Amino acid sequence: KQEVTQIPAALSVPEGENLVLNCSFTDSAIYNLQWFRQDPGKGLTSLLLIQSSQREQTSGRLNASLDKSSGRSTLYIAASQPGDSATYLCAPASGTYKYIFGTGTRLKVLA
Amino acid sequence: EAGVAQSPRYKIIEKRQSVAFWCNPISGHATLYWYQQILGQGPKLLIQFQNNGVVDDSQLPKDRFSAERLKGVDSTLKIQPAKLEDSAVYLCASSPDTSGNTIYFGEGSWLTVV
Repeated sequence: KQEVTQIPAALSVPEGENLVLNCSFTDSAIYNLQWFRQDPGKGLTSLLLIQSSQREQTSGRLNASLDKSSGRSTLYIAASQPGDSATYLCAPASGTYKYIFGTGTRLKVLA
Repeated sequence: EAGVAQSPRYKIIEKRQSVAFWCNPISGHATLYWYQQILGQGPKLLIQFQNNGVVDDSQLPKDRFSAERLKGVDSTLKIQPAKLEDSAVYLCASSPDTSGNTIYFGEGSWLTVV
């Protein structure tokens, strides 16, 4: 059974810092892994999708890496901004393309 | 293209009452998911459909929850009777197929059971 852990659970940083959010998962037999953003009262927005054969994926100030064999993924946020404040969730897809979520990292970027 | 539509957005019911949530996925998306997200937790998969067949419902509390997807398009999730611990956001999501493409979420249906 896939279990996903995200560290840290919460993070508060001043604007401009580079951030590292960590995700670990127990079942390495995944098809892909997605990082999502969730704003309060909203649904989830996909940020990055990394296929199992890829090592990393980039979109703007976001970079996600995947080490499938060790069951780890990392989301890097460069030059953080107050608008980045949200909860970040990772979800590996395994089995029948089920996406299993971690509990998320609540990020607050202070102006 | 239109996103995943869900209704109602908010619902407050008393325990032991019933409630139903509706989801309209993105047009042409074969796979539909229902997730339950309790405050402070990540979403938990309740049920996964491909077209109108159930792929996985291993975490659906079948004594009180039911879901169906008619004609492989819209889906409804029903809770009867509701318990206090069912208070959560119910998120519907869809994906074009099962080959690992991006999954798209609706904004959720917020349920409070009092």
